[in-house]
Amino acid sequence: RKEVEQDPGPFNVPEGATVAFNCTYSNSASQSFFWYRQDCRKEPKLLMSVYSSGNEDGRFTAQLNRASQYISLLIRDSKLSDSATYLCVPDTGFQKLVFGTGTRLLVSP
Amino acid sequence: NAGVMQNPRHLVRRRGQEARLRCSPMKGHSHVYWYRQLPEEGLKFMVYLQKENIIDESGMPKERFSAEFPKEGPSILRIQQVVRGDSAAYFCASSPTSGIEQFFGPGTRLTVL
Repeated sequence: RKEVEQDPGPFNVPEGATVAFNCTYSNSASQSFFWYRQDCRKEPKLLMSVYSSGNEDGRFTAQLNRASQYISLLIRDSKLSDSATYLCVPDTGFQKLVFGTGTRLLVSP
Repeated sequence: NAGVMQNPRHLVRRRGQEARLRCSPMKGHSHVYWYRQLPEEGLKFMVYLQKENIIDESGMPKERFSAEFPKEGPSILRIQQVVRGDSAAYFCASSPTSGIEQFFGPGTRLTVL
């Protein structure tokens, strides 16, 4: 089983829509999680850190389900600028981050 | 507070040449990580360094690749005798301590002709 699995998408949504991505992870020992966004040909940028059951920052909400080993990201009121690839990254406990290929989001006018 | 800096941003090398990629971490950060991203793939961990020490190099290819983070100056990722398969984006990240958020530089795009 892969360490991180995400639906690659793309998710095509209109502006203003609410969209959610799920991410499953295999290492039950992971304590913290990060959501990064990566724009085409750019570096990943940290969007949100999750250390407990979830986190909320403006239009973005992350929820962690340890029993089922998945973490979700909810984006409300989507903007055109939200178009990017979203990367779910569990902390492996060994300092190195393990990235999947991410979920691609396309927000259209 | 300047972010993570990498140079060069673009590097073109012919097969067999050497590539040197530099990374200056954020001010106050003493932990540096290198990742490689092949086209259409996710980032893959290569190496984790602290000042003057390699902590984890489990993602480094066994040959031709080396990394250092000297007491003074930037971290260097060195690729000897480059091959076409080395063409990729190489990202450096830094953190103030281990186990928390890592912040990425803009990357170096290496093209091997």
